[in-house]
Amino acid sequence: DAKTTQPNSMESNEEEPVHLPCNHSTISGTDYIHWYRQLPSQGPEYVIHGLTSNVNNRMASLAIAEDRKSSTLILHRATLRDAAVYYCILPDYGGATNKLIFGTGTLLAVQP
Amino acid sequence: EAQVTQNPRYLITVTGKKLTVTCSQNMNHEYMSWYRQDPGLGLRQIYYSMNVEVTDKGDVPEGYKVSRKEKRNFPLILESPSPNQTSLYFCASSLSGIVYDTQYFGPGTRLTVL
Repeated sequence: DAKTTQPNSMESNEEEPVHLPCNHSTISGTDYIHWYRQLPSQGPEYVIHGLTSNVNNRMASLAIAEDRKSSTLILHRATLRDAAVYYCILPDYGGATNKLIFGTGTLLAVQP
Repeated sequence: EAQVTQNPRYLITVTGKKLTVTCSQNMNHEYMSWYRQDPGLGLRQIYYSMNVEVTDKGDVPEGYKVSRKEKRNFPLILESPSPNQTSLYFCASSLSGIVYDTQYFGPGTRLTVL
């Protein structure tokens, strides 16, 4: 199984940028890097995904290293609502579908 | 509103009493799956379905059954629940089963088996 490594927890202040790192040294050439987050008492929700180049959407930016062995999720201005567990995920190709292997993620705390 | 719904949200039951957790999506998605979430273990896939009448085992299928008679519904059945099935369960759906499809998750069902 493709695996990712993330810090267990991080802290940020409100309205400051947050950089959430992820290492995925065993990534293969066709693996998309997915990020989901899980707010307290809710199901996971999609944040962003990318393959090689950096990606932006209304929620966040994803910076992917040139060798693709690491990536960083960037929240440009953290809000209290961004406090959540953030999962960096590579798909598992054990079957024919996009099974996502969720690890334990990074718990982001946002201080006012 | 596009969503995945699960019922019930909370359930306390006793060992051996059959139960069903329902999951429904209104996005005409072909792919649906069930996960369980336990402290320190992340989310683990139980079963998935690529389309109507097509289901397959995930990583932890023991003790669970599923069915997919309609595209929108994917119930999770515990024929004889045991305490080790106490967990937080999530249903998810996506347009297809390909790797870059976004998965949409339900709000979760917290199950306690005494």
